[in-house]
Amino acid sequence: DIQMTQSPSSLSASVGDRVTITCRASQSIRNSLSWYQQKAGKAPRLLIYGASSLQSGVPSRFSGSGSGTDFTLTISSLRPEDFATFYCQYNGTFGQGTKVEVK
Amino acid sequence: DVQLLESGGGLVQPGGSLRLSCAASGFTFSSYAMSWVRQAPGKGLEWVSSISTSGVTYYPDSVKGRFTISRDNAKNTVYLQMDSLGTEDTAVYYCSNYVTTTFYFDCWGQGTLVTVSS
Repeated sequence: DIQMTQSPSSLSASVGDRVTITCRASQSIRNSLSWYQQKAGKAPRLLIYGASSLQSGVPSRFSGSGSGTDFTLTISSLRPEDFATFYCQYNGTFGQGTKVEVK
Repeated sequence: DVQLLESGGGLVQPGGSLRLSCAASGFTFSSYAMSWVRQAPGKGLEWVSSISTSGVTYYPDSVKGRFTISRDNAKNTVYLQMDSLGTEDTAVYYCSNYVTTTFYFDCWGQGTLVTVSS
């Protein structure tokens, strides 16, 4: 089975910061990587699919990149509503999550 | 707008059974694979089951033989029959439509809480 490893598991950031989260697959998954945002007590929300395609309605400050085994989610300028936990996913496997907290 | 509404959660004793339902609207239900994903308290996301448009089912080892996913295209509803429940199955259960071409969970319901406890 393919394993997905996210880093860091948590980070502290301020409004306006550029934030980068990485996800590594244990073997090549081409570009079949998705990213989700989950706020406390809420369902996850799809942000990025196909490694870099922005889901409809998602702000353009979110972007995804990578292929093969190494992927990145970037928030170009963090806004107050972005503090949440982010997950990468391939097929039936999720990363362990990255919690973005207020610095 | 796409809506997914889960129901059927609740408190059940270890060894018991529960059936979850997810009513879908706002998209062509029969054209999408459907999935269940769960989240134990304070933990991450765990895929639980999927069913293709043609009814082929998929499960991880953690629930295989205990959980059964099914769908009723006439009712735009997907079900999750959960048997032999253990405390490790305590979680919020979300349903989602699943895009099989690029392997992602598109829209999610609000979730239903299943608590397994004596």
